Amino acid sequence: DQQVKQNSPSLSVQEGRISILNCDYTNSMFDYFLWYKKYPAEGPTFLISISSIKDKNEDGRFTVFLNKSAKHLSLHIVPSQPGDSAVYFCAARNTGNQFYFGTGTSLTVIP
Amino acid sequence: DAGITQSPRHKVTETGTPVTLRCHQTENHRYMYWYRQDPGHGLRLIHYSYGVKDTDKGEVSDGYSVSRSKTEDFLLTLESATSSQTSVYFCAIGGTSGVTDTQYFGPGTRLTVL
Repeated sequence: DQQVKQNSPSLSVQEGRISILNCDYTNSMFDYFLWYKKYPAEGPTFLISISSIKDKNEDGRFTVFLNKSAKHLSLHIVPSQPGDSAVYFCAARNTGNQFYFGTGTSLTVIP
Repeated sequence: DAGITQSPRHKVTETGTPVTLRCHQTENHRYMYWYRQDPGHGLRLIHYSYGVKDTDKGEVSDGYSVSRSKTEDFLLTLESATSSQTSVYFCAIGGTSGVTDTQYFGPGTRLTVL
């Protein structure tokens, strides 16, 4: 059973507009959530994270929102840039320091 | 960039042969992880280590074993490789103490089992 789900395999956005990537999870014991960005033939790169005690964390153009009651988190990228084109993975950590990843969303930012 | 290397970067092997992948870190992180990435599955945890000689299973551990005899090295062994183990394998490190807030990934090893 997939404990972390990304239901949109792909997303296309115009340069300068907002990109919204979504992630749902099933385990209410997850206490930390992360987003990673991955380019082809490279390892994932950490982007931004949020603790379960918060509902928003911002870092430059990237903001992560957490809705615990809905077991939903999202990543907002504003404004989107062509260099943001990559696969984005959300991940969640349990209390045993194990991480569970979604299947990824491929973002294409169109110039 | 976190100091993580993986070797080999690419390997082609035959069914039934043993394979060992190596992850090496220079960051002195306590936790080390092995994942596999497959289309439609994202990244799945195979095994992880929380210290020298301390390891535990992840969600897809069948057919794999690991060892960690030094802080800097974490080995993943496929005792008898099968075609279903064709995948891209990523090592990750995290946590200098008891909690790991994030992970830093190596460049990956592409393994093909014929």
